[in-house]
Amino acid sequence: DTEVTQTPKHLVMGMTNKKSLKCEQHMGHRAMYWYKQKAKKPPELMFVYSYEKLSINESVPSRFSPECPNSSLLNLHLHALQPEDSALYLCASSPLGAFGNSPLHFGNGTRLTVT
Amino acid sequence: SQQGEEDPQALSIQEGENATMNCSYKTSINNLQWYRQNSGRGLVHLILIRSNEREKHSGRLRVTLDTSKKSSSLLITASRAADTASYFCATDPNSGNTPLVFGKGTRLSVIA
Repeated sequence: DTEVTQTPKHLVMGMTNKKSLKCEQHMGHRAMYWYKQKAKKPPELMFVYSYEKLSINESVPSRFSPECPNSSLLNLHLHALQPEDSALYLCASSPLGAFGNSPLHFGNGTRLTVT
Repeated sequence: SQQGEEDPQALSIQEGENATMNCSYKTSINNLQWYRQNSGRGLVHLILIRSNEREKHSGRLRVTLDTSKKSSSLLITASRAADTASYFCATDPNSGNTPLVFGKGTRLSVIA
């Protein structure tokens, strides 16, 4: 089992809904990441938090809003999504600051379907 | 933009055979990492090889890195059905605070 926990595992939401994805790690890692992955594609980076500060936003639409309440938690708030936003959303963490030359630890993702 | 390119895109082998996947990249790197992803699950880190290393082993895995050719290979020996997964290389570019760049991946099927 992964040490990065993501909830929920599955989420179905309408285009007018507001929902949140949650990610938690207790490994003391200082960087946390959100990735989006479509079927048979590699993960695409969305956001990076390093020492609880947003350090990278890969030009993600504002309907996705990240939040890092503390060093163990990472949320992704969703609002007014489109069907093309349906994907597997992966959270990851790494021990040092963002991309500190160390491997990423991934959660098992939230499978999001937008109807 | 994606830097790593794996080939083949898909590979099907019999249990017990060796599987070799290749990764090419475009710019200089600090390190190259390989990850495995089982269907519908998260990625699992397999091995990291630094730019000054040429070969690394971990159990049945062997990774090589040729920085002059900007390429890496992942060899899985004596494959098992449980090795069926997608395998991604990811490069850590040697250009400041730059994110890992994932390749397109190789889908490996090991038939029992």
